Amino acid sequence: DGGITQSPKYLFRKEGQNVTLSCEQNLNHDAMYWYRQDPGQGLRLIYYSQIVNDFQKGDIAEGYSVSREKKESFPLTVTSAQKNPTAFYLCASRSFGGGPYEQYFGPGTRLTVT
Amino acid sequence: GQQVMQIPQYQHVQEGEDFTTYCNSSTTLSNIQWYKQRPGGHPVFLIQLVKSGEVKKQKRLTFQFGEAKKNSSLHITATQTTDVGTYFCAGTMDSSYKLIFGSGTRLLVRP
Repeated sequence: DGGITQSPKYLFRKEGQNVTLSCEQNLNHDAMYWYRQDPGQGLRLIYYSQIVNDFQKGDIAEGYSVSREKKESFPLTVTSAQKNPTAFYLCASRSFGGGPYEQYFGPGTRLTVT
Repeated sequence: GQQVMQIPQYQHVQEGEDFTTYCNSSTTLSNIQWYKQRPGGHPVFLIQLVKSGEVKKQKRLTFQFGEAKKNSSLHITATQTTDVGTYFCAGTMDSSYKLIFGSGTRLLVRP
């Protein structure tokens, strides 16, 4: 089956530790995105990448880092500099081919930092 | 900055009643997309509107894009319990590959 996988589903970390969230897609999509969702809130863009070895900051990139070494993979590292890291993290991808350019989302990772 | 506002934040309806959520942008949009997120799930694409004044229907769902391409609405006729979830609009500006998401409207349906 084609799709986006995120692991793990739930992640618990102590404050001060860096943590990396995995995102893999086998849809052959060019663009990939990371969003953060807080309870009762919309989705806020952290980083996005349109092509391998290139990525851009979104609206809330501070305290996060990414890499795009392979087309299929776009891992997100939540660093200790992120002041309020507890949230639901969603990865998405989309094609640059014919429209409607919908974004496909993974199941998400719920990160809790205490 | 670029913003997409969505109202209402919550809507609690009796099964069979209609439901509408509204989306407004501070700037002209190239297109607007709508997503549904079930409780505990991830957003799933519903539809994209591109043309000024465009109206699209999917069974009981009607989507509209305003003439000025700054607002949009989603109307559900005769809600069912399966409609429960949060509905998000998301707009694209210019040729950007970024989506600007609204804050979502959470729909609860009483059986």
